[in-house]
Amino acid sequence: DAGVTQSPTHLIKTRGQQVTLRCSPKSGHDTVSWYQQALGQGPQFIFQYYEEEERQRGNFPDRFSGHQFPNYSSELNVNALLLGDSALYLCASSLGHRTDTQYFGPGTRLTVL
Amino acid sequence: GENVEQHPSTLSVQEGDSAVIKCTYSDSASNYFPWYKQELGKGPQLIIDIRSNVGEKKDQRIAVTLNKTAKHFSLHITETQPEDSAVYFCAEEGGSYIPTFGRGTSLIVHP
Repeated sequence: DAGVTQSPTHLIKTRGQQVTLRCSPKSGHDTVSWYQQALGQGPQFIFQYYEEEERQRGNFPDRFSGHQFPNYSSELNVNALLLGDSALYLCASSLGHRTDTQYFGPGTRLTVL
Repeated sequence: GENVEQHPSTLSVQEGDSAVIKCTYSDSASNYFPWYKQELGKGPQLIIDIRSNVGEKKDQRIAVTLNKTAKHFSLHITETQPEDSAVYFCAEEGGSYIPTFGRGTSLIVHP
């Protein structure tokens, strides 16, 4: 079992650009959550996808959007990048909303210049 | 969850000593309290958790205690080893099933 995988591992973009990050959940998991982790901070919840729909959303602007595919994999899209979007983006998969089954991927390090 | 305060931000101990990390929360509806370990270059890993109907839980060298009245919970690591060195996060979760994380504690275990 490969666990949760994310791609790419690192990414450098400039302000105003758009970015897409990808996540494959742990085998058997049907729910994907995305988190933003700024340097020296704990992860902050962005949104959660279940049955290809956004089920819950944290306090993030509409520039952050996502998608879940029939195979449960997911994408995070960020438009009009700002310097403050520089962070580690973590994907976590779980069985439904059960946090006690949640596994995190290694993350994608996004740098916005 | 609304707000989680975590202390200390850095904790340095000698191998074999105990380490304690404390968190406080403000949401009375919080009912699930997980702890995560994050090693360099990796995502957080759940190491132990506790629910609001339990006061203490232990798993080998790690234990978690919860005081719902005072709204605080703690992680205890005994007989620390160099491989325990990592950043530890507490989190709390209420009816929304969305965890709110603390800012993390960097634990350094010196051989």
